[in-house]
Amino acid sequence: QEHMEQSGAEVKKPGASVKVSCKASEYTFTAHNFHWVRQAPGQGLEWIGWINPNSGDTSYAPRFQGRVTMTGDTSTSTLYMDLSSLRSDDTAIYYCARVALPVAARRGNWFDPWGQGTLVIVSS
Amino acid sequence: EIVMTQSPATLSVSPGERATISCRASQSISSNLIWYQQKAGQPPRLLIYSASTRLGGIPDRFSGSGSGTEFTLTISSLQSEDVAVYYCQQDSNWPLTFGGGTKVEIK
Repeated sequence: QEHMEQSGAEVKKPGASVKVSCKASEYTFTAHNFHWVRQAPGQGLEWIGWINPNSGDTSYAPRFQGRVTMTGDTSTSTLYMDLSSLRSDDTAIYYCARVALPVAARRGNWFDPWGQGTLVIVSS
Repeated sequence: EIVMTQSPATLSVSPGERATISCRASQSISSNLIWYQQKAGQPPRLLIYSASTRLGGIPDRFSGSGSGTEFTLTISSLQSEDVAVYYCQQDSNWPLTFGGGTKVEIK
């Protein structure tokens, strides 16, 4: 069973940046696309973007374009999501999630499994 | 952007009774609809993809139906462990979008 381990909680000031990591297993890291999703306290799910760690291809939701950067390190099977110019409404749990089917399947953006989540608090 | 609207926001159902959750898309998404279950303090868990295909290991009391713009998640006989928030997601168009969630409670 695939397991993805995310980095610990962060507290940041408005205007700062945060970098969240997500370590996946070596055997799936380059075979799957990965997405990032966030959830504000008591709220629903919001899609941020995706990355293909093998090619480095990324695509971001329009509202995060220019503020988010997703990268992957194939040597450590670790994904990173960097969010800059933080505001109080960026306070949320940030999840990494693996696309269930491998890239070779060329279909489907449903997520399984998900990381445990990383709480990011933005407060002055 | 495709807007996903779920109803009701909260559903109270007696144990053993049927629970039905609706999800409506603002435009046709064919069968590109996914359902997740999220229990308190946990990440979401994939239940159903392609509108009606249950992930392996998901109990058969969970079923999905619909196509186009109208979709339904049905829990045929609610168990206590089904208390959670349920989300729909479309993967027809970018950006991917989620419904606002339906909280299922035991009556």
